[in-house]
Amino acid sequence: QKEVEQNSGPLSVPEGAIASLNCTYSDRGSQSFFWYRQYSGKSPELIMFIYSNGDKEDGRFTAQLNKASQYVSLLIRDSQPSDSATYLCAVDQGGKLIFGQGTELSVKP
Amino acid sequence: SQTIHQWPATLVQPVGSPLSLECTVEGTSNPNLYWYRQAAGRGLQLLFYSVGIGQISSEVPQNLSASRPQDRQFILSSKKLLLSDSGFYLCAWSDTGTGELFFGEGSRLTVL
Repeated sequence: QKEVEQNSGPLSVPEGAIASLNCTYSDRGSQSFFWYRQYSGKSPELIMFIYSNGDKEDGRFTAQLNKASQYVSLLIRDSQPSDSATYLCAVDQGGKLIFGQGTELSVKP
Repeated sequence: SQTIHQWPATLVQPVGSPLSLECTVEGTSNPNLYWYRQAAGRGLQLLFYSVGIGQISSEVPQNLSASRPQDRQFILSSKKLLLSDSGFYLCAWSDTGTGELFFGEGSRLTVL
């Protein structure tokens, strides 16, 4: 069983729409959760992290965490073509970040 | 501010040849350091991590090895490359407060 799972996509949304990216994890002891964005051929960059159940908002991005259901999601409002990238979910396990396989997002103008 | 550099950026190596990728971090002391590999179209696989000089933990048994000869230097090596070693190798350091990983620019390895 994979430790961190994401739908690989591709997920295609029109410009201006809300993109919803989901991630589930298997380790109930995990306390920290991260979303990274990776453009093709580049290294990942952090979008945001979340520790507590509920929502955390940063600009157009909202991370949602539900520890009881072991899922974390990322919402991107007013999606732009520049948001087209692969989004990686990462879960802390004892000081190591374990990554999902990533979801490819395509925002169509 | 902290910076991380890794090199070389790209390399093409024949099967059976050796490998050495280097990574250095500046602006922080005693960082936790990591090597990840990303195969084409895949997520990041943790290969090695280090919490201090000479302290290496291996996550995946394979023909790769890592060393940390200095506090802010992390090296990934192989004596004989396999075709399956091709991929995008990423070095990273972590902020012990937030747990966030900061990645280097990556090294793209093609084994032919």
